[in-house]
Amino acid sequence: GAVVSQHPSRVICKSGTSVKIECRSLDFQATTMFWYRQFPKKSLMLMATSNEGSKATYEQGVEKDKFLINHASLTLSTLTVTSAHPEDSSFYICSASTGWTAHQPQHFGDGTRLSIL
Amino acid sequence: SQQGEEDPQALSIQEGENATMNCSYKTSINNLQWYRQNSGRGLVHLILIRSNEREKHSGRLRVTLDTSKKSSSLLITASRAADTASYFCATVSPNTGNQFYFGTGTSLTVIP
Repeated sequence: GAVVSQHPSRVICKSGTSVKIECRSLDFQATTMFWYRQFPKKSLMLMATSNEGSKATYEQGVEKDKFLINHASLTLSTLTVTSAHPEDSSFYICSASTGWTAHQPQHFGDGTRLSIL
Repeated sequence: SQQGEEDPQALSIQEGENATMNCSYKTSINNLQWYRQNSGRGLVHLILIRSNEREKHSGRLRVTLDTSKKSSSLLITASRAADTASYFCATVSPNTGNQFYFGTGTSLTVIP
């Protein structure tokens, strides 16, 4: 149980393109989803917390107009990297939680490798 | 930064040996969790230890927590080549709501 599907797994596109990444909880309802960014051989940096039906909460330093997050249902959150540039190239990972993470683990997708040419 | 630190950054051991990784964090916590990440993949939850717990076991995994020192350790006993991965601790703090903050990670290589 608690499977999170992230799609696509890899994207290669030209500079200026907008890229949408989907994160779905397949067998549970995720009240909260999280988006992380990971640089090579580095830890995960929390970008934003997404709650169904409300605006995402962004971490300090993350541009909300650059990284658009939509959490339209209890099973789907999307991250759109708008007008992507080479510096946006990274590994993006989503996770979902069934409840308050003070008591619950997070369930992670397999990540999306984004490469901007 | 609320991010924790782990040491060692990299660890290489022979199959069958034990592997110990340490995590230090900065703020008070609700719980601390350990995750595993295979190269280029998402993270897999290993074990959760609450702030009022001191030790927890799961199979070949043993986690300890010392809140006075703001540190935790993950011990993998009788390691296998398949244990090769990066291991991260993550903390949930009452001060930051629902968010996780990950440590810097330990890259473990188990040599067959």
